Amino acid sequence: GQNIDQPTEMTATEGAIVQINCTYQTSGFNGLFWYQQHAGEAPTFLSYNVLDGLEEKGRFSSFLSRSKGYSYLLLKELQMKDSASYLCAVFSLANAGKSTFGDGTTLTVKP
Amino acid sequence: DADVTQTPRNRITKTGKRIMLECSQTKGHDRMYWYRQDPGLGLRLIYYSFDVKDINKGEISDGYSVSRQAQAKFSLSLESAIPNQTALYFCATSDPSRDHPQHFGDGTRLSIL
Repeated sequence: GQNIDQPTEMTATEGAIVQINCTYQTSGFNGLFWYQQHAGEAPTFLSYNVLDGLEEKGRFSSFLSRSKGYSYLLLKELQMKDSASYLCAVFSLANAGKSTFGDGTTLTVKP
Repeated sequence: DADVTQTPRNRITKTGKRIMLECSQTKGHDRMYWYRQDPGLGLRLIYYSFDVKDINKGEISDGYSVSRQAQAKFSLSLESAIPNQTALYFCATSDPSRDHPQHFGDGTRLSIL
């Protein structure tokens, strides 16, 4: 089966750093995606991790530990526009080449 | 123009009606998906298609059907709508390469009274 866990909600202050965790137990693993979704809008791609380690992309970084079934998304220098839901999704060839999504973490950035 | 276009964007209808949601894409991707999203929840897969002749059920296919009319078009039907099918529906596409993420349409907000 596929099980992906993320915290439901987080709150942080503008200018701060926040880490959003994702743990997974899945039948097979080939990579992990992070998506951003503003309220009522479509999810948009942020990052994709295949190998262990940290991938940095501007203010956003994503980390993966395959042995621990764990990933996090790190957002630096938070801005009000970063208020959104963040979805992690595990891609697995063993799952017919599909992605399974977590329920998402709703991040609220306060002034 | 959007790469993945969903129509309609909003729809209100009554219980028992047949509804079709349409999705078209200009990305040239073979893989297409239909998801539903309920408030506070993630995306749940309804159906997916990896090419025109390939249709597969997802985790919540009961009460839904799909048609892949062409590489660029993938429609979702609710044969007899019921209130608990009220949700936000997304169509998505992806490149067969494992490194390519899914690209989503803007969604269809469906309300069934």
